[in-house]
Amino acid sequence: EIVLTQSPATLSLSPGERATLSCRASQSVSYYLAWYQQKPGQAPRLLIYDASTRATGIPARFSGSGSGTDFTLTISSLEPEDFAVYYCQLRYSWPLFTFGPGTKVEIK
Amino acid sequence: QLQLQESGPGLVKPLETLSVTCTVSGASINSRSFYWGWVRQPPGKGLEWIGSLYYGGSTYNNPSLRGRVTISVDTSKNQFSLNLNSVSAADTAVYFCISSYSGNYYSLYWGQGTLVTVSS
Repeated sequence: EIVLTQSPATLSLSPGERATLSCRASQSVSYYLAWYQQKPGQAPRLLIYDASTRATGIPARFSGSGSGTDFTLTISSLEPEDFAVYYCQLRYSWPLFTFGPGTKVEIK
Repeated sequence: QLQLQESGPGLVKPLETLSVTCTVSGASINSRSFYWGWVRQPPGKGLEWIGSLYYGGSTYNNPSLRGRVTISVDTSKNQFSLNLNSVSAADTAVYFCISSYSGNYYSLYWGQGTLVTVSS
């Protein structure tokens, strides 16, 4: 079973700052990884899939990178609406899917 | 635009079966273009994939749920459903139905979620 870990658990930043979130897989998963954003009381929203492809309608300040075991979600300049929890998700082991534990981006 | 709407009982007793239904609008449940599935989220915790349903009726479930999951389709109502049997308090969660484009697999569409509490 492939395990995903996300770091840090909480990221405290101010609007306008750059956010760098990490997701690490316990073994190589090629590029089969996605990132989701979830705000309180809402369903998650797909941001990035296949490690670096932005989903339709996602602003360009969100970018994904990585392959193998190490992946990064970068928010170039935080907007007030970006403070949320971010999850990575694995589809490498299809038909099984795995979510990481999440990183909370909070206002400093 | 594809839209998903869950409906559920709200409260289920321990050891009984939890049943949640997702009504699909904007696409046919029989479409080859989409996959369907379920994700849950215990209060204050992270996301857990429950299972997926593919064109032709194939289903795959999270092994951690130890065979308690059944996902089925009602084409006449354009709905798919989740049954989780022998529930305990650990199954208390918001249950989301999801959909992805076939061949993509990532969860592009989500329902708003329905909270199911397991309690006597």
